[in-house]
Amino acid sequence: GAVVSQHPSWVICKSGTSVKIECRSLDFQATTMFWYRQFPKQSLMLMATSNEGSKATYEQGVEKDKFLINHASLTLSTLTVTSAHPEDSSFYICSAAVNTEAFFGQGTRLTVV
Amino acid sequence: AQSVSQHNHHVILSEAASLELGCNYSYGGTVNLFWYVQYPGQHLQLLLKYFSGDPLVKGIKGFEAEFIKSKFSFNLRKPSVQWSDTAEYFCAVNAGTSYDKVIFGPGTSLSVIP
Repeated sequence: GAVVSQHPSWVICKSGTSVKIECRSLDFQATTMFWYRQFPKQSLMLMATSNEGSKATYEQGVEKDKFLINHASLTLSTLTVTSAHPEDSSFYICSAAVNTEAFFGQGTRLTVV
Repeated sequence: AQSVSQHNHHVILSEAASLELGCNYSYGGTVNLFWYVQYPGQHLQLLLKYFSGDPLVKGIKGFEAEFIKSKFSFNLRKPSVQWSDTAEYFCAVNAGTSYDKVIFGPGTSLSVIP
C-alpha cells in the first residue's frame, strides 16, 4: 500500500513555543491530506482538511490560528501548533488518500511542558 | 453530517471466544466503510474495507465484516479470538462518491484473556 510518513514521531516543547509536524506521501501525490488528533483512550478526531495550493478547511471548534496548516506541494503538508500549551499535548495523525482509501502516518506524540 | 457509533466501549473475552463488534453509521448516500485496529503503542492499521460488491468482506488476521445497508451497519466478527487481538478497534466511514474525510467511531477496546 501507499506510504505516509510523519516527522517527528515525538516532540517535547516548552509552553508558549511553536511546533511543526510534517506529513509526507512517499510514493504518491496527494492533493488532499487530513489531520487528526487522538487523546489517550479516545478516538481520532478530524481537525482539518489540508488542500494543496489553497487554504485548509477546519472542523468546527478547531482554532485555525492556533493550528496552522500548509500544503505547499503534492507530497507535503505541515501542521504547526502555535503558542503550544499543555492542553495541546496529544497524538497527531495525518492521512492521505489513494483511490478513496486512506493511509495513515505513524503519528506524532506532542508533549507540551 | 456523517457519524459513526460503536456499540461497545470495552469488551473482555477469553481466548477462543467469538467476537462481534457492532458499528452503525448515519449517512444517506453511498459510503465506504472501514475497520481499523490500533495495537498498544502502534499506529492505525487497516483490517478490512467495503467499497461495493459482496457485503461480506474478509480482512486480515481472520476478521470479517458484514455490510447491511438496510440497518446502516457494518459489524466486525472473528470466530475465535487470540490474546494478540487485544487492541483498540475503530469503525470508520467516508462518502463513497469521491474521496472525502474519514469519520471515525469512538472505538471499542478489546481485551482478550489468555
